[in-house]
Amino acid sequence: DAKTTQPPSMDCAEGRAANLPCNHSTISGNEYVYWYRQIHSQGPQYIIHGLKNNETNEMASLIITEDRKSSTLILPHATLRDTAVYYCIVRALGSYGKLTFGQGTILTVHP
Amino acid sequence: EPEVTQTPSHQVTQMGQEVILRCVPISNHLYFYWYRQILGQKVEFLVSFYNNEISEKSEIFDDQFSVERPDGSNFTLKIRSTKLEDSAMYFCATTGAGTGELFFGEGSRLTVL
Repeated sequence: DAKTTQPPSMDCAEGRAANLPCNHSTISGNEYVYWYRQIHSQGPQYIIHGLKNNETNEMASLIITEDRKSSTLILPHATLRDTAVYYCIVRALGSYGKLTFGQGTILTVHP
Repeated sequence: EPEVTQTPSHQVTQMGQEVILRCVPISNHLYFYWYRQILGQKVEFLVSFYNNEISEKSEIFDDQFSVERPDGSNFTLKIRSTKLEDSAMYFCATTGAGTGELFFGEGSRLTVL
């Protein structure tokens, strides 16, 4: 799976949009971008994934650049409960191999 | 919403003792995983399991570790002789065919004294 690079930490004010970037310049054509988050010491939670088109669900939006070398996870109205470590992971769809977690981005949402 | 259930939530054991951590996967999921997270560190892959056999394992998953699905429902991780450095959160994850999205349990905290 391709390697990803994320900033170690970010801050966001409650109610504002949180934009979390991820670089994956070595992504290959069959690899998807997945986002997970881990709140405190809970189990990681799936957020969203995409291939090349922008995706939106009830939790977040995912914007992938046209060259697919980077993406941004957007939490449109961050709340205090969104404070977590966010992981960007690149993986081939239909791959059932291991999911490799990096250090992720620690997002702190403050009042 | 279906969920992955893990037991126990916390176990304290003496060094050298055997420990079994249990996971009830989401119904109809076929791929199972164990991960661990030492306090303050990143989530690390241990092993994946499919069709009643190990698909892949990391170098952490040595002879002290084993996995099985004894009754077709529970998925277990056994540590034969625990060491102090086995103290960690252990997460079970499962997925079905399709998107490859993994569903994680809430974890079992293992403390080895």
